[in-house]
Amino acid sequence: AQSVSQHNHHVILSEAASLELGCNYSYGGTVNLFWYVQYPGQHLQLLLKYFSGDPLVKGIKGFEAEFIKSKFSFNLRKPSVQWSDTAEYFCAVNGAGRRALTFGSGTRLQVQP
Amino acid sequence: EAGVTQFPSHSVIEKGQTVTLRCDPISGHDNLYWYRRVMGKEIKFLLHFVKESKQDESGMPNNRFLAERTGGTYSTLKVQPAELEDSGVYFCASSQGVNYGYTFGSGTRLTVV
Repeated sequence: AQSVSQHNHHVILSEAASLELGCNYSYGGTVNLFWYVQYPGQHLQLLLKYFSGDPLVKGIKGFEAEFIKSKFSFNLRKPSVQWSDTAEYFCAVNGAGRRALTFGSGTRLQVQP
Repeated sequence: EAGVTQFPSHSVIEKGQTVTLRCDPISGHDNLYWYRRVMGKEIKFLLHFVKESKQDESGMPNNRFLAERTGGTYSTLKVQPAELEDSGVYFCASSQGVNYGYTFGSGTRLTVV
C-alpha cells in the first residue's frame, strides 16, 4: 500500500528564512507527486506536481520541489518565505493505475513577521 | 471557470441523524473524488467516480456511507446514521484525467454531537 510521510508537523520560521519541508513516500512503481497548500479558511490549492521529466519542479509563489527517486523523496523548498506563506502544506502521491491521492499528514507552517 | 463547489460548508448534527453532503465538480470533469480529514489526521481517500460509475470505493469506512453521482454530474455523500467518529472535513475534488491535477472544493466541516 502507498504511504506518505511528512516529517515536520509544525514549522515556525521568520520572514526571509529558507524553507524545506520533507516528504517521503512508499510505493513500488511509477508515481506522480504533488504538493498542495491550504491557506487559512481556503481550499486546497495545487503548488506543484511532478509526473515525469526534470526532477526539479517549479511551482507557484516561488516554491520548488525535487524528486529524488533513490531516496523516495519529494521535498518542498522556498529560498525566502513570506508571512503570507503561513498555511498547511500537504504532500501527496498517486501511483500508475490508481488515480486516488494518498496524502501525508500535513505540515503547518507559521511565518513570523 | 467555476471551481468545485461543496455544500453545506458546515453541518452540525446529532448522533444517529442523517446528513447529505453535495459536491458539484468542474463542468466536464469526469473524475470526482471524495476525501475526508478527521481532526489531526491525514486526508484520506473515500471513493472515486468516473462519470456516474464508482471506479474505486476502497476507502469508504463502512456501509453507513453512501455516495452517488446521478447522471455523472454532481455527487452526494450520505451518512446514515451518523456517529461521533464521522466528524471531520469532507473534501471533494475533480479532475479531467490522470495527467491533470485535481481541483479541490472548500470542504464540508461535519460535526456529530
